Amino acid sequence: DAGVIQSPRHEVTEMGQEVTLRCKPISGHDYLFWYRQTMMRGLELLIYFNNNVPIDDSGMPEDRFSAKMPNASFSTLKIQPSEPRDSAVYFCASRRTGTGNGYTFGSGTRLTVV
Amino acid sequence: DAKTTQPPSMDCAEGRAANLPCNHSTISGNEYVYWYRQIHSQGPQYIIHGLKNNETNEMASLIITEDRKSSTLILPHATLRDTAVYYCIVTPPGANSKLTFGKGITLSVRP
Repeated sequence: DAGVIQSPRHEVTEMGQEVTLRCKPISGHDYLFWYRQTMMRGLELLIYFNNNVPIDDSGMPEDRFSAKMPNASFSTLKIQPSEPRDSAVYFCASRRTGTGNGYTFGSGTRLTVV
Repeated sequence: DAKTTQPPSMDCAEGRAANLPCNHSTISGNEYVYWYRQIHSQGPQYIIHGLKNNETNEMASLIITEDRKSSTLILPHATLRDTAVYYCIVTPPGANSKLTFGKGITLSVRP
């Protein structure tokens, strides 16, 4: 099992550009979560999906952020246009239904917007 | 979801047990206690969880008080690689429950 795979590991972009972060959850996991981590705010849940359907997007900061999950093995988080304050580490996590199952996190994407 | 309180930091000597406390005095009867840790620059890692009974796995032990208002994560023989931020999280059961991370406790294991 390769775990949760995120790409790219690092992204540097200029303000105003579109940024797309990618995530491949663990096969068989039916929940997918997107988190953002900054020094100031810690780990924040942005949005999560169940069976490819968005369940709660109340953590998405602005309309500039959007997330999709077109199938069970792929999700994207898009920021358009990006701003310097979006600089953070973005983590994707997946989980299989059942209270006994913890989340498995990916290694994260470190985004820097200059 | 119930709020948790953890000290900001603690340290312990390598090879000794690390006992990480967590207060969750407003926990509800059906809420679970989860522990995760985050080693520098990595994603959080699941450690253990419990409801009422003490739990043990290959990584750690979780001791929950009888009134469930606090718990302790025990790393029996801490190593330098256990240096990390440890998060205690309380969450209800249910398919759509979600993890809300606080600030956690920074454990430093010294040689």
